[in-house]
Amino acid sequence: DAMVIQNPRYQVTQFGKPVTLSCSQTLNHNVMYWYQQKSSQAPKLLFHYYDKDFNNEADTPDNFQSRRPNTSFCFLDIRSPGLGDAAMYLCATSSWGGPFNEQYFGPGTRLTVT
Amino acid sequence: QKEVEQNSGPLSVPEGAIASLNCTYSDRGSQSFFWYRQYSGKSPELIMFIYSNGDKEDGRFTAQLNKASQYVSLLIRDSQPSDSATYLCAVNTGGGSNYKLTFGKGTLLTVNP
Repeated sequence: DAMVIQNPRYQVTQFGKPVTLSCSQTLNHNVMYWYQQKSSQAPKLLFHYYDKDFNNEADTPDNFQSRRPNTSFCFLDIRSPGLGDAAMYLCATSSWGGPFNEQYFGPGTRLTVT
Repeated sequence: QKEVEQNSGPLSVPEGAIASLNCTYSDRGSQSFFWYRQYSGKSPELIMFIYSNGDKEDGRFTAQLNKASQYVSLLIRDSQPSDSATYLCAVNTGGGSNYKLTFGKGTLLTVNP
Protein backbone atom coordinates (compact mmCIF):
# COMPACT_ATOMS: atom_id res chain seq x y z
CA ASP A 1 0.00 0.00 0.00
CA ALA A 2 1.17 3.51 -0.78
CA MET A 3 1.99 5.32 2.42
CA VAL A 4 3.95 7.85 4.42
CA ILE A 5 6.43 6.31 6.85
CA GLN A 6 8.15 8.04 9.75
CA ASN A 7 11.07 6.74 11.76
CA PRO A 8 11.52 6.42 14.59
CA ARG A 9 8.03 6.47 16.07
CA TYR A 10 9.41 7.51 19.44
CA GLN A 11 12.65 9.37 20.02
CA VAL A 12 14.24 10.35 23.31
CA THR A 13 17.13 12.78 23.21
CA GLN A 14 19.05 14.82 25.71
CA PHE A 15 18.92 18.57 25.99
CA GLY A 16 21.25 20.00 23.33
CA LYS A 17 21.98 16.67 21.62
CA PRO A 18 21.26 16.80 17.86
CA VAL A 19 18.53 14.55 16.56
CA THR A 20 17.31 13.60 13.08
CA LEU A 21 13.81 12.43 12.23
CA SER A 22 13.08 10.79 8.91
CA CYS A 23 10.12 10.57 6.59
CA SER A 24 9.69 8.48 3.47
CA GLN A 25 6.80 8.10 1.07
CA THR A 26 5.73 5.67 -1.62
CA LEU A 27 2.99 7.97 -2.97
CA ASN A 28 5.39 9.71 -5.37
CA HIS A 29 4.10 13.06 -4.16
CA ASN A 30 6.13 16.11 -5.07
CA VAL A 31 5.42 18.11 -1.91
CA MET A 32 6.51 17.14 1.59
CA TYR A 33 5.71 19.03 4.80
CA TRP A 34 6.99 18.97 8.36
CA TYR A 35 4.67 19.97 11.20
CA GLN A 36 5.17 20.28 14.93
CA GLN A 37 2.17 19.49 17.12
CA LYS A 38 2.05 20.00 20.86
CA SER A 39 -0.72 18.70 23.11
CA SER A 40 -4.15 20.20 22.39
CA GLN A 41 -2.69 22.50 19.73
CA ALA A 42 -3.03 22.75 15.99
CA PRO A 43 -0.30 21.25 13.83
CA LYS A 44 2.18 24.04 13.15
CA LEU A 45 3.90 24.07 9.78
CA LEU A 46 7.69 24.28 10.08
CA PHE A 47 8.65 24.09 6.40
CA HIS A 48 7.86 22.29 3.19
CA TYR A 49 9.52 21.18 -0.01
CA TYR A 50 7.91 21.66 -3.37
CA ASP A 51 10.07 19.25 -5.34
CA LYS A 52 13.55 20.47 -4.38
CA ASP A 53 12.44 24.01 -3.54
CA PHE A 54 12.61 24.64 0.19
CA ASN A 55 10.01 26.91 1.82
CA ASN A 56 10.68 27.93 5.40
CA GLU A 57 7.99 29.42 7.62
CA ALA A 58 8.98 32.82 8.97
CA ASP A 59 8.61 31.79 12.61
CA THR A 60 10.44 28.46 12.37
CA PRO A 61 13.47 28.63 14.68
CA ASP A 62 16.92 28.32 13.12
CA ASN A 63 17.41 25.29 15.34
CA PHE A 64 15.24 23.34 12.87
CA GLN A 65 16.66 22.33 9.50
CA SER A 66 15.48 20.02 6.77
CA ARG A 67 16.90 18.02 3.90
CA ARG A 68 15.25 16.31 0.98
CA PRO A 69 17.85 14.23 -0.87
CA ASN A 70 15.31 12.73 -3.28
CA THR A 71 11.57 12.58 -3.98
CA SER A 72 10.94 9.80 -1.49
CA PHE A 73 12.83 10.98 1.58
CA CYS A 74 12.81 14.05 3.80
CA PHE A 75 14.64 14.65 7.08
CA LEU A 76 14.10 16.99 10.00
CA ASP A 77 17.22 17.95 11.92
CA ILE A 78 16.98 19.58 15.31
CA ARG A 79 20.44 20.91 16.01
CA SER A 80 20.18 21.63 19.73
CA PRO A 81 16.90 20.39 21.15
CA GLY A 82 15.44 22.27 24.06
CA LEU A 83 12.75 21.16 26.48
CA GLY A 84 10.27 23.25 24.50
CA ASP A 85 10.89 21.16 21.39
CA ALA A 86 9.25 18.10 22.91
CA ALA A 87 6.29 17.44 20.64
CA MET A 88 4.83 15.18 17.97
CA TYR A 89 6.52 15.78 14.62
CA LEU A 90 4.34 15.05 11.65
CA CYS A 91 5.38 14.54 8.06
CA ALA A 92 2.77 15.01 5.35
CA THR A 93 2.80 14.75 1.56
CA SER A 94 0.65 16.05 -1.23
CA SER A 95 0.59 15.97 -5.00
CA TRP A 96 0.62 19.51 -6.30
CA GLY A 97 -1.41 19.85 -9.46
CA GLY A 98 -4.32 17.73 -8.30
CA PRO A 99 -7.69 19.38 -7.78
CA PHE A 100 -7.51 19.62 -4.02
CA ASN A 101 -3.88 19.16 -2.97
CA GLU A 102 -4.99 17.17 0.03
CA GLN A 103 -2.25 16.24 2.48
CA TYR A 104 -1.66 12.77 3.84
CA PHE A 105 0.11 12.34 7.15
CA GLY A 106 2.56 9.78 8.40
CA PRO A 107 2.12 8.26 11.87
CA GLY A 108 4.33 10.89 13.50
CA THR A 109 7.41 10.81 15.71
CA ARG A 110 6.95 11.58 19.39
CA LEU A 111 10.05 13.45 20.58
CA THR A 112 10.95 13.58 24.25
CA VAL A 113 13.78 15.85 25.46
CA THR A 114 15.35 15.04 28.81
CA GLN B 1 -2.21 36.33 10.30
CA LYS B 2 -4.54 33.91 8.58
CA GLU B 3 -6.62 32.10 11.17
CA VAL B 4 -8.86 29.08 11.45
CA GLU B 5 -11.15 29.01 14.47
CA GLN B 6 -12.92 26.04 15.98
CA ASN B 7 -14.84 25.54 19.18
CA SER B 8 -12.46 23.43 21.27
CA GLY B 9 -15.30 21.55 22.94
CA PRO B 10 -15.58 19.02 24.28
CA LEU B 11 -18.71 18.28 22.31
CA SER B 12 -20.58 15.39 23.82
CA VAL B 13 -23.36 13.57 21.94
CA PRO B 14 -25.20 10.30 22.59
CA GLU B 15 -24.67 7.33 20.30
CA GLY B 16 -26.86 7.57 17.22
CA ALA B 17 -27.20 11.36 17.35
CA ILE B 18 -25.92 13.91 14.84
CA ALA B 19 -22.69 15.66 15.77
CA SER B 20 -22.16 19.13 14.29
CA LEU B 21 -18.67 20.58 14.13
CA ASN B 22 -18.03 24.15 13.03
CA CYS B 23 -15.11 26.13 11.68
CA THR B 24 -14.57 29.72 10.55
CA TYR B 25 -11.63 31.08 8.61
CA SER B 26 -10.23 34.52 7.93
CA ASP B 27 -8.63 34.24 4.46
CA ARG B 28 -11.24 35.10 1.83
CA GLY B 29 -8.91 33.73 -0.84
CA SER B 30 -9.05 30.18 0.53
CA GLN B 31 -10.36 27.66 -1.97
CA SER B 32 -9.95 24.23 -0.41
CA PHE B 33 -11.25 23.01 2.95
CA PHE B 34 -10.44 19.82 4.78
CA TRP B 35 -11.60 17.88 7.80
CA TYR B 36 -9.17 15.61 9.57
CA ARG B 37 -9.87 13.20 12.41
CA GLN B 38 -7.18 12.71 15.03
CA TYR B 39 -7.35 10.05 17.69
CA SER B 40 -5.41 10.69 20.89
CA GLY B 41 -1.70 10.13 20.33
CA LYS B 42 -2.16 9.46 16.61
CA SER B 43 -1.63 11.49 13.46
CA PRO B 44 -4.40 13.31 11.57
CA GLU B 45 -6.42 11.27 9.09
CA LEU B 46 -8.18 12.96 6.17
CA ILE B 47 -11.91 12.27 6.17
CA MET B 48 -13.46 14.93 3.91
CA PHE B 49 -12.57 17.81 1.63
CA ILE B 50 -14.76 20.37 -0.08
CA TYR B 51 -14.17 23.31 -2.38
CA SER B 52 -17.61 24.32 -3.68
CA ASN B 53 -20.33 26.08 -1.75
CA GLY B 54 -23.01 23.73 -0.50
CA ASP B 55 -22.98 20.22 0.86
CA LYS B 56 -20.81 17.22 0.13
CA GLU B 57 -21.80 13.84 1.50
CA ASP B 58 -19.65 10.76 2.07
CA GLY B 59 -21.33 7.99 4.02
CA ARG B 60 -22.23 9.28 7.48
CA PHE B 61 -20.24 12.47 6.96
CA THR B 62 -21.46 15.70 5.35
CA ALA B 63 -19.25 18.73 4.83
CA GLN B 64 -20.93 22.09 4.34
CA LEU B 65 -19.25 25.19 2.92
CA ASN B 66 -20.40 28.80 2.85
CA LYS B 67 -17.66 30.99 1.41
CA ALA B 68 -19.65 34.21 1.81
CA SER B 69 -19.83 33.60 5.56
CA GLN B 70 -16.34 32.03 5.65
CA TYR B 71 -17.79 29.05 7.40
CA VAL B 72 -17.31 25.31 6.98
CA SER B 73 -18.93 22.56 9.01
CA LEU B 74 -18.91 18.79 9.38
CA LEU B 75 -21.97 16.76 10.28
CA ILE B 76 -21.62 13.20 11.51
CA ARG B 77 -24.85 11.23 11.37
CA ASP B 78 -25.58 8.18 13.50
CA SER B 79 -22.57 8.97 15.70
CA GLN B 80 -20.67 5.97 17.05
CA PRO B 81 -18.34 5.70 20.04
CA SER B 82 -15.53 5.06 17.51
CA ASP B 83 -16.10 8.61 16.20
CA SER B 84 -14.78 9.97 19.51
CA ALA B 85 -11.72 11.97 18.49
CA THR B 86 -10.48 15.48 17.83
CA TYR B 87 -11.65 16.90 14.51
CA LEU B 88 -9.32 19.36 12.83
CA CYS B 89 -10.48 21.86 10.25
CA ALA B 90 -7.82 22.90 7.71
CA VAL B 91 -7.96 25.65 5.11
CA ASN B 92 -5.57 26.35 2.26
CA THR B 93 -3.53 29.53 2.18
CA GLY B 94 -0.96 30.66 -0.32
CA GLY B 95 -0.69 29.42 -3.85
CA GLY B 96 1.69 27.82 -6.30
CA SER B 97 4.77 26.40 -4.63
CA ASN B 98 3.75 28.15 -1.40
CA TYR B 99 0.43 26.32 -1.14
CA LYS B 100 -0.09 25.16 2.44
CA LEU B 101 -2.77 24.41 5.00
CA THR B 102 -3.60 26.30 8.17
CA PHE B 103 -5.16 24.14 10.85
CA GLY B 104 -7.58 24.96 13.61
CA LYS B 105 -6.91 23.66 17.11
CA GLY B 106 -9.61 21.07 16.72
CA THR B 107 -12.87 20.14 18.41
CA LEU B 108 -12.87 17.19 20.78
CA LEU B 109 -15.92 15.00 20.14
CA THR B 110 -17.09 12.41 22.64
CA VAL B 111 -19.84 9.96 21.63
CA ASN B 112 -21.42 8.34 24.66
CA PRO B 113 -22.77 4.75 24.35
